[in-house]
Amino acid sequence: GAGVSQSPSNKVTEKGKDVELRCDPISGHTALYWYRQRLGQGLEFLIYFQGNSAPDKSGLPSDRFSAERTGESVSTLTIQRTQQEDSAVYLCASSRTSGTRIRAQYFGPGTRLTVL
Amino acid sequence: DAKTTQPPSMDCAEGRAANLPCNHSTISGNEYVYWYRQIHSQGPQYIIHGLKNNETNEMASLIITEDRKSSTLILPHATLRDTAVYYCIVREETSGSRLTFGEGTQLTVNP
Repeated sequence: GAGVSQSPSNKVTEKGKDVELRCDPISGHTALYWYRQRLGQGLEFLIYFQGNSAPDKSGLPSDRFSAERTGESVSTLTIQRTQQEDSAVYLCASSRTSGTRIRAQYFGPGTRLTVL
Repeated sequence: DAKTTQPPSMDCAEGRAANLPCNHSTISGNEYVYWYRQIHSQGPQYIIHGLKNNETNEMASLIITEDRKSSTLILPHATLRDTAVYYCIVREETSGSRLTFGEGTQLTVNP
């Protein structure tokens, strides 16, 4: 497809369970971001991938959160032992790069995670 | 990233131009002005960005003042689907720079 896709669109899980969220960036976009947005709040940066460089994990809120990216394609965000405060919309964005310049970020529709 | 100031809300009649202002008086020479919007329950959507010259694309026009301390996003013929929160962001185009949204402007397009 032409845009960023994310799956699942909605996920309801029980406290303590692990969840895995998937992001397919736009083809050719080397930069990939994960954000979290709680209801009525702004974007919270989680992690950033750029090509083969080490990811910027500085936004991950705890060691229960991890993310991987295969080359310049699919990324998965894993949350272990989910807690109710993890409930939010998880957004993925990708962008092209030109040398060191990052272009506009294009967002996916998000995954709405509800932890019961 | 430079701080931006936007009005909290605006109304616009359908079919009319929507002009959304943004002040960024502390912008530095290598910082770009970006506009995004977020329609309720959807992910943010990139609209347009510019450095010093006015820009136009299929969605909107961006007018940046000569001193670059403020800008205006123009939606030339607003539709009901343009109702959203609009975010003005000033940032460098450097590797790894994450997005931080402020409060934005809630634009409501009325029939």
